[in-house]
Amino acid sequence: GEDVEQSLFLSVREGDSSVINCTYTDSSSTYLYWYKQEPGAGLQLLTYIFSNMDMKQDQRLTVLLNKKDKHLSLRIADTQTGDSAIYFCAERASGGSYIPTFGRGTSLIVHP
Amino acid sequence: GAGVSQTPSNKVTEKGKYVELRCDPISGHTALYWYRQSLGQGPEFLIYFQGTGAADDSGLPNDRFFAVRPEGSVSTLKIQRTERGDSAVYLCASSLGVQGAGNSPLHFGNGTRLTVT
Repeated sequence: GEDVEQSLFLSVREGDSSVINCTYTDSSSTYLYWYKQEPGAGLQLLTYIFSNMDMKQDQRLTVLLNKKDKHLSLRIADTQTGDSAIYFCAERASGGSYIPTFGRGTSLIVHP
Repeated sequence: GAGVSQTPSNKVTEKGKYVELRCDPISGHTALYWYRQSLGQGPEFLIYFQGTGAADDSGLPNDRFFAVRPEGSVSTLKIQRTERGDSAVYLCASSLGVQGAGNSPLHFGNGTRLTVT
């Protein structure tokens, strides 16, 4: 969706950290999500953050939110080859019909 | 428990034919969403149900597309007079509902890959 922007590709070496970035335009966004999609599969929810939070950590995943700049990032520590997938950022506004809007996805490629 | 189930997983049809795509949401989820994903793109919203009624159908591209959810559970997306441009993966998702939206994120099925020849 045009309201959520992501870079299309990221390539990292196994064991390094990956940082996937996302920007959004709707200042009323209340929840922001990260989904993972493997080939031939649907979207798997990884984590989400409420807009009154700056950071959320869940095992190898760290989400950072800069609400002023409308910037969201997902950091994956100790990236593994199994992390290779497409990662989608999505935002959900507080007004309207709460329909999540997705970015085009970032394809993460992990090299051994 | 069982996740969102979509059938068929693949559908090949000829231009001009009618197709139905089925979605069986997670039990107890009142909200159901249909998205369409074209190659290299993110999911694009089509329609959202809260219970039996379509709460928002603003994403349906034209009147060839229609969806129903008669008993508030299973939903069917119907496409009439299919065109080659309808080829995409059609994703269904469900959630507990709109209230406390972030605590009820969307759970997706594996999608139906529709190919119109």
